[in-house]
Amino acid sequence: DTAVSQTPKYLVTQMGNDKSIKCEQNLGHDTMYWYKQDSKKFLKIMFSYNNKELIINETVPNRFSPKSPDKAHLNLHINSLELGDSAVYFCASSHPRTGDTGELFFGEGSRLTVL
Amino acid sequence: AQSVAQPEDQVNVAEGNPLTVKCTYSVSGNPYLFWYVQYPNRGLQFLLKYITGDNLVKGSYGFEAEFNKSQTSFHLKKPSALVSDSALYFCAVALGGYIPTFGRGTSLIVHP
Repeated sequence: DTAVSQTPKYLVTQMGNDKSIKCEQNLGHDTMYWYKQDSKKFLKIMFSYNNKELIINETVPNRFSPKSPDKAHLNLHINSLELGDSAVYFCASSHPRTGDTGELFFGEGSRLTVL
Repeated sequence: AQSVAQPEDQVNVAEGNPLTVKCTYSVSGNPYLFWYVQYPNRGLQFLLKYITGDNLVKGSYGFEAEFNKSQTSFHLKKPSALVSDSALYFCAVALGGYIPTFGRGTSLIVHP
């Protein structure tokens, strides 16, 4: 059973398009994340979300928006795609206790290529 | 504030030799420290973490890491490297309850 699953695994699209990446976790975790990994493998937090709070990295353009229909899902929607959005996007989840920072469980990644 | 540095982009080691992947951190409090491994075209996998207690933490696949508060370091180690250990390794740091910040990653190459 896949703990954190993302779809699609690969996505090729044109500049200006709108696209979504879906993420689901079956671990019963309360908190989900989106990370962006650039071509140099640098990993940067984009969003953190639980059923109480959305934390947004202020450097993320507002063209990016997380959408969570329920606790097990956190989708990433991107408007007006730009060349610089090309990257691998990772979804992750964790189950931290209050004041704790638990380990993250990552999906396999979604490679986005903007032409 | 929290930050982490991995000073080496790449570490090369011969199979059977001990390996060390370096990590230093900066936080304004007691750190939560993590190591993750990423194999090609895969997501990151958790290896081990330090919260408190014994400075030597043992994790998956025979890896261990040593927390050194005075040097603000959390180096990853393994006594005998395997070719299959070749991968990208990430150190991460967080204050309790905060989102982890990841280092830039170190590529480990184990030569047969």
